[in-house]
Amino acid sequence: EADIYQTPRYLVIGTGKKITLECSQTMGHDKMYWYQQDPGMELHLIHYSYGVNSTEKGDLSSESTVSRIRTEHFPLTLESARPSHTSQYLCASSDSLQGLKLFFGSGTQLSVL
Amino acid sequence: GNSVTQMEGPVTLSEEAFLTINCTYTATGYPSLFWYVQYPGEGLQLLLKATKADDKGSNKGFEATYRKETTSFHLEKGSVQVSDSAVYFCALRDKIIFGKGTRLHILP
Repeated sequence: EADIYQTPRYLVIGTGKKITLECSQTMGHDKMYWYQQDPGMELHLIHYSYGVNSTEKGDLSSESTVSRIRTEHFPLTLESARPSHTSQYLCASSDSLQGLKLFFGSGTQLSVL
Repeated sequence: GNSVTQMEGPVTLSEEAFLTINCTYTATGYPSLFWYVQYPGEGLQLLLKATKADDKGSNKGFEATYRKETTSFHLEKGSVQVSDSAVYFCALRDKIIFGKGTRLHILP
């Protein structure tokens, strides 16, 4: 079954703080993604990576940045959090050998006060 | 660019009713198509997929057929249950682009 982990599960912070949302997968998948989702609402792709040292911005403009130094790790960073960043952030990975199936982490619920 | 359009929710049905959730796409070529489901309080799960035209994906009584003539991938189930209440997302493979999701409520 899926082995993709996100931490923290919940995060409440003040405006202006720098935060990093962690995402790790142990399946050796080359593709990883970050989505932003408000409760019950649509998913927006904000970043994706097709491999180490490869990162691209998604369809939704985001002030966050990502890095992919290792295959298993795809952290997302907000340099200065604002209330408008309050949302759920979902990390996912996929491997074409797995039949294009996406594996999702359990998400990080971020609240910026 | 590629995009996915799915019907606005919420959709409210009685138990054992027939379900259709419409999904149409715009894409170059013939990308793989997916339906994902998000049950309350849980993460996203793949429900079914189709990788080429005329393929039919099926799982848990749900079906969707990849129709290139109408660029559609409508989700159907003959008899819904209360346990099917969830948000359903149609998705297209490219960078994996999702529709807005359709919330489904099933009344007992």
